[in-house]
Amino acid sequence: DVQMTQSPPSLSASVGDSVSITCQASQDIRHYLSWYQQKPGKAPKLLIFDAATLAAGVPSRFSGRGSATHFTFTISSLQPEDFATYFCQHYLNLPLTFGGGTTVEI
Amino acid sequence: QVQLQESGPGLVEPSQTLSLTCSVSGASVRSGGFYWTWVRQLPGGGLEWIGYIYTSGAAYYNPFLKTPISISLDTSENRFSLSLSSVTVADSAVYYCARAPDGNSNWLDSWGQGILVAVTS
Repeated sequence: DVQMTQSPPSLSASVGDSVSITCQASQDIRHYLSWYQQKPGKAPKLLIFDAATLAAGVPSRFSGRGSATHFTFTISSLQPEDFATYFCQHYLNLPLTFGGGTTVEI
Repeated sequence: QVQLQESGPGLVEPSQTLSLTCSVSGASVRSGGFYWTWVRQLPGGGLEWIGYIYTSGAAYYNPFLKTPISISLDTSENRFSLSLSSVTVADSAVYYCARAPDGNSNWLDSWGQGILVAVTS
């Protein structure tokens, strides 16, 4: 199976900061990567698919890039509602697997 | 807009069978184009894909999960179900149902709110 290694596990930032999270795949997954946001007590929400395509209604301050084994997710100007946990997920093949998550804290 | 809602017991005894149902509205499980999916979130926060089922009834499961799994589709009620047999404490988690487009597009575009299941005697 494809292993997804996400870093850092957590980070501290302030409103207005730009933050980046990386996800490394154990093998080439082309562009088959998605990113999710999860707030406490809620289900994950799809933000990005195909490594860089924003899901409907997602603000443009969120972005993703990368291919093959190295991917980056960026929030360009943190807003108060962005403090949450973020996960990556590959879908090259089965089983689908997720990164361990990154918690963005104030 | 598709909505998914999990239902089932919040407590299950070890070695028993856990059965959960996901009711779907705003979309038909009978229509093609999507895999109807189960994911769980363990107490440490990690997400695990359990498996999914297509409109045809073909189901695919995570081979790395030790618990026997079965996912089924009920087109008359527009819902799908998960069954985990011989559960252990390690199966305690929040269980989510979700939807994934088919093809090389298995991101999860819609999720239920989740249901917390504790395996305990």
